[in-house]
Amino acid sequence: QSVLTQPPSASGTPGQRVTISCSGSNSNIGSNTVSWYQQIPGTAPKFLIYSDNQRPSGVPDRFSGSKSGTSASLAVSGLQSEDEADYYCSTWDDRLNGPVFGGGTKLTVL
Amino acid sequence: EVQLVESGGDWVQPGRSLRLSCAASGFTFEDYALHWVRQAPGKGLEWVSGITWNGHSIGFADSVKGRFTISRDNAKKSLYLHMNSLRPEDTALYYCAKSQGGVGATVDYWGQGTLVTVSS
Repeated sequence: QSVLTQPPSASGTPGQRVTISCSGSNSNIGSNTVSWYQQIPGTAPKFLIYSDNQRPSGVPDRFSGSKSGTSASLAVSGLQSEDEADYYCSTWDDRLNGPVFGGGTKLTVL
Repeated sequence: EVQLVESGGDWVQPGRSLRLSCAASGFTFEDYALHWVRQAPGKGLEWVSGITWNGHSIGFADSVKGRFTISRDNAKKSLYLHMNSLRPEDTALYYCAKSQGGVGATVDYWGQGTLVTVSS
């Protein structure tokens, strides 16, 4: 059971906007910034969003992050077939004294 | 370009030991905390352990506490994970991961992983 809760799946058609939620608690999301990773099956995770809503260089602006209280969201706009992947949220947990991850959301482009 | 290359993964029997290594390049190794994160087949990401820039352990996941230790050699730009009393549930792809800074900073780069299989 993951510390952060994500829906197991999400889907959309090309061009649509899809959001993925991530729910935590006061000891993690509520007091630390959130990151997001994209993992295409068979490859390592790729850094997508940090500090709740910042994109590393090279990440398209179709990807955006937000946070409110103990929940965070990743939005993918203008959905493309290459966005089909697993997405993980992550943050630091002050009680566990380590990073924690969501269980992952499989995004399918229909 | 940041590169993290893991090695040492193998098939081992339950109760045995294994040491994983991670060779780093492309950044000032001694400036950053590092982590091991694992992913069991078909499952999500699980933090295993982390270490500060100067070699102090950040901590361990409850599932490996007392069995795994973490270390680094800044001169060799290498990170290690020493795994003892291995269990079938330790079977996973083990990733070496670099943080953006110190303790509490997020992971920004990942290696390609090294596979550990624990089975009789």
